Order: sequence, then structure tokens, then C-alpha cells
Amino acid sequence: KAGVTQTPRYLIKTRGQQVTLSCSPISGHRSVSWYQQTPGQGLQFLFEYFSETQRNKGNFPGRFSGRQFSNSRSEMNVSTLELGDSALYLCASSQGTSGNNEQFFGPGTRLTVL
Amino acid sequence: AQTVTQSQPEMSVQEAETVTLSCTYDTSESNYYLFWYKQPPSRQMILVIRQEAYKQQNATENRFSVNFQKAAKSFSLKISDSQLGDTAMYFCAFILDNYGQNFVFGPGTRLSVLP
Repeated sequence: KAGVTQTPRYLIKTRGQQVTLSCSPISGHRSVSWYQQTPGQGLQFLFEYFSETQRNKGNFPGRFSGRQFSNSRSEMNVSTLELGDSALYLCASSQGTSGNNEQFFGPGTRLTVL
Repeated sequence: AQTVTQSQPEMSVQEAETVTLSCTYDTSESNYYLFWYKQPPSRQMILVIRQEAYKQQNATENRFSVNFQKAAKSFSLKISDSQLGDTAMYFCAFILDNYGQNFVFGPGTRLSVLP
């Protein structure tokens, strides 16, 4: 079974631009969660999607948004990029939404904002 | 609000020795799951071990075991017979039951296994 894949792996953008990151979950997994990892703030939850619906959202501004498609693939979008958005963005997939479902993480997308 | 604390930013251990990583958490909920994740330099997050809060028995996975003290809200990870491949960042995390797949992570402990 293929693991969680994220594209692109690396991305360089400039302030003010917008960016879209993609996450393909493990086959059969319907829940996708996104996390931001920075040296200063650590790992922070962004949002979770299940069956094309956002179920939970972390404490991030509205510039951060996401969506999930019918095949469970998910995208997250960051508009009006700021220098502080430079981070490793991780997505994780699981079969369901309850805590006893193991989450499998992708390799991440490294976003650099100049 | 839920929080996770890892008081040891960095640790080192000699190959084949045993090391314990500390983790404390705070929640008012009673049903949750606790995890230790490993993130090597490749940045891929790998599950090391998990513990259901309703189970009193400490989880073990080969060389990895936990000491779960629910009343103290403590969840330490013991690595026995440390190997060079154990060098990584280790994150303690927990997730509430039935509140979705949103982990709360600790700040991490950087573990170096020395030859």
C-alpha cells in the first residue's frame, strides 16, 4: 500500500503570493489532517477534513484554507503569504476521525517565503 | 486547553544504553490517546508507540516502552538498547477521543545516540 504523498516537496514563494499544497492519503483513508511545523511554534494543527467536510480547525488566520475532494485527496491554500508562513507542512491520513485511528504522516512540503 | 510539555530539549545516550524521555500533559478530558512520534533527519514522522488512556497496562513495542501515570498526567518513553538509528526528534502527542484527528504535540526532544 502506498503511503501518504505530498506535492510538491519543496516550494519557494515571495511575500504576497499564494500557494496550494496537495496531499494524497493512503488508499481507503477518508480523514486528512494538516499541520504546520516551525522551529519557533513547533507542530500546530491546521485543520482536518473527513468526507469532503472540514471537521476541525486550528487557531490560524483565514488566509489558511483547505478542501477535500471526493477521492479524499486534500489541498491546502495559503493566500497573501507572509515570511512567518515559512514552515514544513505535514499532512496525515487515517481511516476515521476518532482518536483510536492511527494517523500516518506524509513526508511534508517545505515552504520558503522570501 | 490541552497542552503537552517535554522538559528535555536535548538528550544524548551511548549506543546500547537505555534512555528515558519525559512528557507531561494537561487535559480535563478522561478519554484520550497518547503517542510518541519519531522524526529523523528525513523529516518523516513515524509512530513509535501509542497508549490508550483507559488502559492501565503500559504499552511496549520491542525496545520501546512507556510509563503511563494517568493521575500524574505523565507519559515517559524508555528506549532500551539504543541504536544509532534512534537518533531523531521525539514528539509526545495526545488526541482526544471523538473530537477528531487533531493532535496536540509537545515541543520535542532531540535525541542523539552516540557510537
